[in-house]
Amino acid sequence: ETGVTQTPRHLVMGMTNKKSLKCEQHLGHNAMYWYKQSAKKPLELMFVYSLEERVENNSVPSRFSPECPNSSHLFLHLHTLQPEDSALYLCASSTGQGTYEQYFGPGTRLTVT
Amino acid sequence: GQNIDQPTEMTATEGAIVQINCTYQTSGFNGLFWYQQHAGEAPTFLSYNVLDGLEEKGRFSSFLSRSKGYSYLLLKELQMKDSASYLCAVRDPGGGNKLTFGTGTQLKVEL
Repeated sequence: ETGVTQTPRHLVMGMTNKKSLKCEQHLGHNAMYWYKQSAKKPLELMFVYSLEERVENNSVPSRFSPECPNSSHLFLHLHTLQPEDSALYLCASSTGQGTYEQYFGPGTRLTVT
Repeated sequence: GQNIDQPTEMTATEGAIVQINCTYQTSGFNGLFWYQQHAGEAPTFLSYNVLDGLEEKGRFSSFLSRSKGYSYLLLKELQMKDSASYLCAVRDPGGGNKLTFGTGTQLKVEL
């Protein structure tokens, strides 16, 4: 248990659906991240929020829309996804001190049909 | 840009020592991380190097040479539970704590 939870753990959606992924951190951190992990590919950073402000948007298609209502919660809103968007979506958080290591949640396994 | 290279797979024997290498060519550098990821689980932080040299933490050690763009993770007294993917990641020098990851090295520990 790393103190970062994600729901749902598994999600199957059609290309015309709208769904949201949720991440919550219980570590008192002030930065949160979304990553995409596809088979045989490196973890890809998607978005970074620091103190609830988006500081990084890594050329992610607009069908992915992040939201950070407070420092403990992060959402990823999904709409009109493509089959190639099927992947493991990982959330992470970090503090603003020390080595700034990121703590990851267990991920949401997304399948787009 | 960032380019990080790691071997795709390695196999080692229980009780042995294994070294997992990582080389990087990056436009900037502000630290290197190693993470462990078991199948179906979250990556967990193992080590951090920002200066040259060896950092030791129990059975795990990590080494960095900034001039060579090279790091390794050393695992001693291997256990079956060490079978996992090991991810090398470099932090960009800019703000935002942005990490670029390698594809990971899948380590299999055998009896």
